[in-house]
Amino acid sequence: NAGVTQTPKFRILKIGQSMTLQCTQDMNHNYMYWYRQDPGMGLKLIYYSVGAGITDKGEVPNGYNVSRSTTEDFPLRLELAAPSQTSVYFCASRHQGENTEAFFGQGTRLTVV
Amino acid sequence: AQKITQTQPGMFVQEKEAVTLDCTYDTSDPSYGLFWYKQPSSGEMIFLIYQGSYDQQNATEGRYSLNFQKARKSANLVISASQLGDSAMYFCAMREGYGGSQGNLIFGKGTKLSVKP
Repeated sequence: NAGVTQTPKFRILKIGQSMTLQCTQDMNHNYMYWYRQDPGMGLKLIYYSVGAGITDKGEVPNGYNVSRSTTEDFPLRLELAAPSQTSVYFCASRHQGENTEAFFGQGTRLTVV
Repeated sequence: AQKITQTQPGMFVQEKEAVTLDCTYDTSDPSYGLFWYKQPSSGEMIFLIYQGSYDQQNATEGRYSLNFQKARKSANLVISASQLGDSAMYFCAMREGYGGSQGNLIFGKGTKLSVKP
């Protein structure tokens, strides 16, 4: 059982480039999330989805876009990368329900230079 | 205002001793859940324990227990018999109700625990 899989694990981008962070889960979870973690900080929510075709903004959505065409996949798109987007990105998913924990991917360490 | 406050940036504990990591939260929602996650140096996020706002008893999971004081809005993590492998960042998180937030987790800034041999 793979759980939540993120690719790539590491990436260096130049300012202005674009890229897509991939996230897929094999647990049939409806809820999926993208977080970013800056050094010495907790995680901040970028975007979330409650099911295929439904997405919404979190706390820090600027500079990002998402799509959810299937239950399994929730890619995060960075357009026109900026140094402020240097961070570690986590994808997570969970079952619907009040006490269900979120399962996290291994993270993607992104550096924008 | 911060919704989750972890006031201890770093903590040290001797191996085999118990340690308490503090977490206070702020919410007006009567229905919420509190979570603790461990992040070792390898970076992954590992779920440890959950406490629901309506749970009458403190949650326990092996060596982890949650000291839930609802009136004080605190949800401290207690690790008994610390092991070297417990050295990691620990994050407290809250999920509020079931409304527009869709149950998103709100994280504190974390506490770095170091276990000394």
